[in-house]
Amino acid sequence: GAGVSQSPRYKVAKRGQDVALRCDPISGHVSLFWYQQALGQGPEFLTYFQNEAQLDKSGLPSDRFFAERPEGSVSTLKIQRTQQEDSAVYLCASSVGQAETQYFGPGTRLLVL
Amino acid sequence: KQEVTQIPAALSVPEGENLVLNCSFTDSAIYNLQWFRQDPGKGLTSLLLIQSSQREQTSGRLNASLDKSSGRSTLYIAASQPGDSATYLCAVKGGTNAGKSTFGDGTTLTVKP
Repeated sequence: GAGVSQSPRYKVAKRGQDVALRCDPISGHVSLFWYQQALGQGPEFLTYFQNEAQLDKSGLPSDRFFAERPEGSVSTLKIQRTQQEDSAVYLCASSVGQAETQYFGPGTRLLVL
Repeated sequence: KQEVTQIPAALSVPEGENLVLNCSFTDSAIYNLQWFRQDPGKGLTSLLLIQSSQREQTSGRLNASLDKSSGRSTLYIAASQPGDSATYLCAVKGGTNAGKSTFGDGTTLTVKP
């Protein structure tokens, strides 16, 4: 079946612009996770959902970051007033349950100029 | 706060060699540990998941072990091939927060033909 998909794959934004990154999880996967990955480093946890409920958002770096999953399927990570330090790859993962194998999408590479 | 360390940061071996990658973590109260590989510019591919109650998992030429009490995991790759060249990441899912994974920065493996 289809894996996790993310769009867009690449995004260039001018500093101060708002961006929205989309994640389509594997059908039927209850848990969905967002990570931020800087070059040469491992992914850093941002937030996760169980169905439509956002159970942990402790990794969101500032109140400019907002994530939602209104119907328990597709999720959107929104970054307001982007800054250069937001430049990174944003990865989405889904799993059957929160402690099960995570399946990752290809990521969205965000460059803020 | 959970911290995950992977040593070495980079490893180069000739084809056919057996090798071991190391992952250590500071908080032994974990739900599970997962090993991934990441190819340049791509997302993460799950290799093995070890639940906290397990000691090891095997898949083909890969074997992962877990020693919770010492805070260590190893990934053993038998008979390495050039196609194994990638960055290998371990991720620990916390015992008190089963939704959050903490990643190491990875070991970049190069297998020379």
